[in-house]
Amino acid sequence: DAGVTQSPTHLIKTRGQQVTLRCSPKSGHDTVSWYQQALGQGPQFIFQYYEEEERQRGNFPDRFSGHQFPNYSSELNVNALLLGDSALYLCASSLAGLADLTYEQYFGPGTRLTVT
Amino acid sequence: GENVEQHPSTLSVQEGDSAVIKCTYSDSASNYFPWYKQELGKRPQLIIDIRSNVGEKKDQRIAVTLNKTAKHFSLHITETQPEDSAVYFCAASRSGRRALTFGSGTRLQVQP
Repeated sequence: DAGVTQSPTHLIKTRGQQVTLRCSPKSGHDTVSWYQQALGQGPQFIFQYYEEEERQRGNFPDRFSGHQFPNYSSELNVNALLLGDSALYLCASSLAGLADLTYEQYFGPGTRLTVT
Repeated sequence: GENVEQHPSTLSVQEGDSAVIKCTYSDSASNYFPWYKQELGKRPQLIIDIRSNVGEKKDQRIAVTLNKTAKHFSLHITETQPEDSAVYFCAASRSGRRALTFGSGTRLQVQP
């Protein structure tokens, strides 16, 4: 049973460039959430995708966008990169089915993005 | 929106001692409170969670307590071991399937 996977592991980009990060959810999961974790801080919620639509969004600018595919995998896109976008980007998957039985969010290993 | 505060930021204990980490939340509608352990360079891993209809939950050496009236919850680790050393994050959510709001983390160091 495969867990949450993310690619790439590490990425170095220059200010102003665009980046795409990828996530495959845990087998059987249909919901993907993205978080940004700056060094020494807790993860911050970016957005969540379910049924190929953005269901909830955190306090991040429109430069951050995403997509979910029919196979439930997801992409996070960041445009016009800033130095402050350097962080660990974590993907978490969960199951949206039964209301009270499927609360857990499982995290992937993350993508370390460095903007120079 | 929700705001979660976590204390202490660092905690050093001797092996075998107990460790307690405390969190407060602001959104009275929050009803799901997980705790994650993150080792250096690794993903956050869920270690225990509690829902608002329960006041306490235990799993071997780990326990979590919730006080809805005061809007705070705590992680208790007994008989600490060196492998418990990591950063621990509390989080809160209106539903576990929705956004998690994390605390700032507690770096726990267990001295052998």
